[in-house]
Amino acid sequence: NAGVTQTPKFQVLKTGQSMTLQCAQDMNHEYMSWYRQDPGMGLRLIHYSVGAGITDQGEVPNGYNVSRSTTEDFPLRLLSAAPSQTSVYFCASKWTAHNSPLHFGNGTRLTVT
Amino acid sequence: AQSVTQLDSQVPVFEEAPVELRCNYSSSVSVYLFWYVQYPNQGLQLLLKYLSGSTLVESINGFEAEFNKSQTSFHLRKPSVHISDTAEYFCAVSQAAGNKLTFGGGTRVLVKP
Repeated sequence: NAGVTQTPKFQVLKTGQSMTLQCAQDMNHEYMSWYRQDPGMGLRLIHYSVGAGITDQGEVPNGYNVSRSTTEDFPLRLLSAAPSQTSVYFCASKWTAHNSPLHFGNGTRLTVT
Repeated sequence: AQSVTQLDSQVPVFEEAPVELRCNYSSSVSVYLFWYVQYPNQGLQLLLKYLSGSTLVESINGFEAEFNKSQTSFHLRKPSVHISDTAEYFCAVSQAAGNKLTFGGGTRVLVKP
């Protein structure tokens, strides 16, 4: 059981480049989300989805796009990378039952120069 | 809106000594509370959760947390830490009727021999 799989593990981008962070889960979870982790700020919610075809914004959505065409996949797109997007990104999924805990991937460390 | 404050960013502690990590939250509605642990270069793992019922919850590896509604706190304790407890710990809150999880800034625990 792979759980939540994120690729790549590391990425370096130049300012203005675009890229997609991949996230896949094999637990048939309805809810998927993306967080960014910055020192001293904990994890902040970027975007989330409660099912295929449904996405919504979190606390810090600017500069990021998402789509949810299947239950399993929830890619995060950076259209024009900026140094402020240097961070560690985590994908997480759960059942939509409100008391269900989040399951996290191992993260993608992104550096924008 | 909900928020979480972890009062200590770093807690150094000697092996076999007790440790307490403080967490306060704010919310205008009923909440679920969680503690997650992040070991170096890994994603977050659920440590324990409070949903309802007994205000004292325990994890399998000796941690416990107590929900105090009047003080809006959910402090984490362990009576005797091991070197392997060195990690970052995150307190999180979600509304009982929602899916979005809000995290505190994290507390880094360094266990010294």
